[in-house]
Amino acid sequence: SQTIHQWPATLVQPVGSPLSLECTVEGTSNPNLYWYRQAAGRGLQLLFYSVGIGQISSEVPQNLSASRPQDRQFILSSKKLLLSDSGFYLCAWSVTFIYNEQFFGPGTRLTVL
Amino acid sequence: GDSVTQMEGPVTLSEEAFLTINCTYTATGYPSLFWYVQYPGEGLQLLLKATKADDKGSNKGFEATYRKETTSFHLEKGSVQVSDSAVYFCALSQNTGNQFYFGTGTSLTVIP
Repeated sequence: SQTIHQWPATLVQPVGSPLSLECTVEGTSNPNLYWYRQAAGRGLQLLFYSVGIGQISSEVPQNLSASRPQDRQFILSSKKLLLSDSGFYLCAWSVTFIYNEQFFGPGTRLTVL
Repeated sequence: GDSVTQMEGPVTLSEEAFLTINCTYTATGYPSLFWYVQYPGEGLQLLLKATKADDKGSNKGFEATYRKETTSFHLEKGSVQVSDSAVYFCALSQNTGNQFYFGTGTSLTVIP
């Protein structure tokens, strides 16, 4: 069966520090991968999605970047965190073109101080 | 473009009450529709789905029917429990695309 992992589970970082969040998927090949952010009490904002290795689409201009160095690995990064980067970051995957049902990871709670 | 509009929350109900959370959508063609649930501090879990008009998705006592004529996918449960307290998201996807469109979420609190 397929599983999706995210780490770390929680992170507290100072403003201006770098960020690296990792997401890996097991049990499937060539998934679509997604990064979402959920601000406190808010809905989901799609940040990036990827349909293959090295292919990244960005939905909103921001302080963050994403990379997909391997088929089932998706990394969210920042060179310098802002206070507004605080939130709950969710990684998700889907099978290409089959109803696009998405499966979510457990999330990373990021607090920028 | 495609979008989903969900009933504003928060919603507070007593245990065993009837639940309805409204969801309407705007989309071309025949999207698939989903309800996800998010428990505190966790990721989203798929609750139910419907992939064509008049389909009824159901799971754990929750139901939603894909109504193309009213472009709706309302979530219902006949008798809620305290353990149903969570945030519920309505979503759609186009079968030819790679993106999901989520509603803003509806927070439900069930009190004993």
